[in-house]
Amino acid sequence: QVQLVESGGGVVQPGRSLRLSCAASGFTFSRNDMHWVRQAPGKGLEWVAIISYDGSDKNYADSVKGRFTISRDHSKNTLFLQMNSLRVEDTAVYYCAKGGNWFDPWGQGTLVTVSS
Amino acid sequence: EIVMTQSPATLSVSPGERATLSCRASQSVSSNLAWYQQKPGQAPRLLIYGASTRATAIPARFSGSGSGTEFTLTISSLQSEDFAVYYCQQYTNWPLTFGGGTKVEIK
Repeated sequence: QVQLVESGGGVVQPGRSLRLSCAASGFTFSRNDMHWVRQAPGKGLEWVAIISYDGSDKNYADSVKGRFTISRDHSKNTLFLQMNSLRVEDTAVYYCAKGGNWFDPWGQGTLVTVSS
Repeated sequence: EIVMTQSPATLSVSPGERATLSCRASQSVSSNLAWYQQKPGQAPRLLIYGASTRATAIPARFSGSGSGTEFTLTISSLQSEDFAVYYCQQYTNWPLTFGGGTKVEIK
């Protein structure tokens, strides 16, 4: 079955960087667009970024544009999110999700806490 | 950016009763709308896409309707496992946007 497993979350100071990973299995990773979506504690869902199946197209939410970079490695069936210049307001559970226009399925999420 | 507004914020329903959740878009999204269910401590799960098509393995008691700017998710007879938060999401324009959620709680 399709499985997505995020890792790389943790506590980081404002202004620092963090890289999240999402290991994919159970489907042909190289043929599917992939997303990152986040959820601040006790809040709703916010789409963060998408990368096309071949990595040629990327799109970002305005809130992270210029600071976050989405990428993928087909040899490792892994999705990444490089997060630079982190802010307190980036604190959230970060989910990876398979799909183009909608998200199905989702990983279990990894918590990123930005705090001094 | 298309703003998605869900109502009510909280819906109190007894088991076995019908629940009707609403989602409104700030401009037409045609039928480019999905619904998700999220239980505490879990990732969201896709319920509906294309405004009315159930995702794989979603029970028939979940149904979606609407187009343009007004959408409805109906749970025909609430089961104990259906008490959760529900989100709508549009995919007509970038950025993809979600509603604020409706919490369905036990009455």
